[in-house]
Amino acid sequence: EPEVTQTPSHQVTQMGQEVILRCVPISNHLYFYWYRQILGQKVEFLVSFYNNEISEKSEIFDDQFSVERPDGSNFTLKIRSTKLEDSAMYFCASSEGISTEAFFGQGTRLTVV
Amino acid sequence: AQRVTQPEKLLSVFKGAPVELKCNYSYSGSPELFWYVQYSRQRLQLLLRHISRESIKGFTADLNKGETSFHLKKPFAQEEDSAMYYCALSKSYNTDKLIFGTGTRLQVFP
Repeated sequence: EPEVTQTPSHQVTQMGQEVILRCVPISNHLYFYWYRQILGQKVEFLVSFYNNEISEKSEIFDDQFSVERPDGSNFTLKIRSTKLEDSAMYFCASSEGISTEAFFGQGTRLTVV
Repeated sequence: AQRVTQPEKLLSVFKGAPVELKCNYSYSGSPELFWYVQYSRQRLQLLLRHISRESIKGFTADLNKGETSFHLKKPFAQEEDSAMYYCALSKSYNTDKLIFGTGTRLQVFP
């Protein structure tokens, strides 16, 4: 069964460093998403991406964040100048179309020290 | 603003007991409601959505617009139902983002 794949599973970075979280969505899906879950809190929407551009973003998704689909298969989330409060589980998801089932990856646990 | 509330962080029952995981939402329009489940060390996966009106793994959920609720129910819990359950909302048009509740951990004891 096709799956959304995320790498790495765990990333530790120093405050102020840049990180790139990688995702390989399901191949025939057209919509891609990033969510995050700070420990003990709810899963929060960050951004959705369709047709090579951001279709919607939350207030969390400020200039520190960017997304890219560099090669037609990977979907990346870049966090510049990481802060301690960026420590969270980051989930990638993809779906065939709008309002269809979103399939989630296993998540990347980001720890900023 | 849209909001999803799951009042229980933890629900513990014995095998064979009925289960009800509560979910209330606030949204002025006509939302789509979902239940996602995360079993231990597995990914978030869709359990059911209100528009499909299906019963999945014995679970059902009915959208009650008057009470703005979408409670998840199962008449007889099984040990393998132990997991984290998240209620989520999506505006029913022109958007695909999901708004999640904080989740309820269901523990089913033998």
